[in-house]
Amino acid sequence: KAGVTQTPRYLIKTRGQQVTLSCSPISGHRSVSWYQQTPGQGLQFLFEYFSETQRNKGNFPGRFSGRQFSNSRSEMNVSTLELGDSALYLCASSLFMLRETQYFGPGTRLLVL
Amino acid sequence: AQSVTQLGSHVSVSEGALVLLRCNYSSSVPPYLFWYVQYPNQGLQLLLKYTSAATLVKGINGFEAEFKKSETSFHLTKPSAHMSDAAEYFCAVSDLRANSKLTFGKGITLSVRP
Repeated sequence: KAGVTQTPRYLIKTRGQQVTLSCSPISGHRSVSWYQQTPGQGLQFLFEYFSETQRNKGNFPGRFSGRQFSNSRSEMNVSTLELGDSALYLCASSLFMLRETQYFGPGTRLLVL
Repeated sequence: AQSVTQLGSHVSVSEGALVLLRCNYSSSVPPYLFWYVQYPNQGLQLLLKYTSAATLVKGINGFEAEFKKSETSFHLTKPSAHMSDAAEYFCAVSDLRANSKLTFGKGITLSVRP
């Protein structure tokens, strides 16, 4: 069974631009979560989607948004990029929402110049 | 709210030596606990998880962890380190009330000396 895939793997943007990252979960998984990983803050939860609904949200500004499609694929969007948004963005999928093991993709590394 | 503490940011062991990575958690409800490993430029790979069954959990690559409620700990061990174990290790807790959101520790970088 194919794992979680994320595209693109690397991205360079400039301040003020917006970016969209994509995540395809493991087949049959309906929950998708997003995390931001930085050297200073570590791994931080962004949000979680289940059946196209955001069910949980971390402590990030409104510039960070996401959505999930009927096939469980998910996208996250960051508008008005700031230098501090440079990070590895990880997507994880699981079968259901409650405490199931999450399987992570390879991540998208975003560099904001 | 739940939290995870991983003491120290870097552990160095010799090849063949015991690996011990410490993790302490805080949770107001019985936790689900996880250890993940991250190799350079890769995502997180699940090593093992505790879900309130056996307190000694065996994972992949010879790793195991023991849940100790009295000490609120979930330390990761491996009897004999291999060069390929060099990576960053994260302990995480999932709280029932926060659905499947994972709260991670800061991570520990494991180096293995020849």
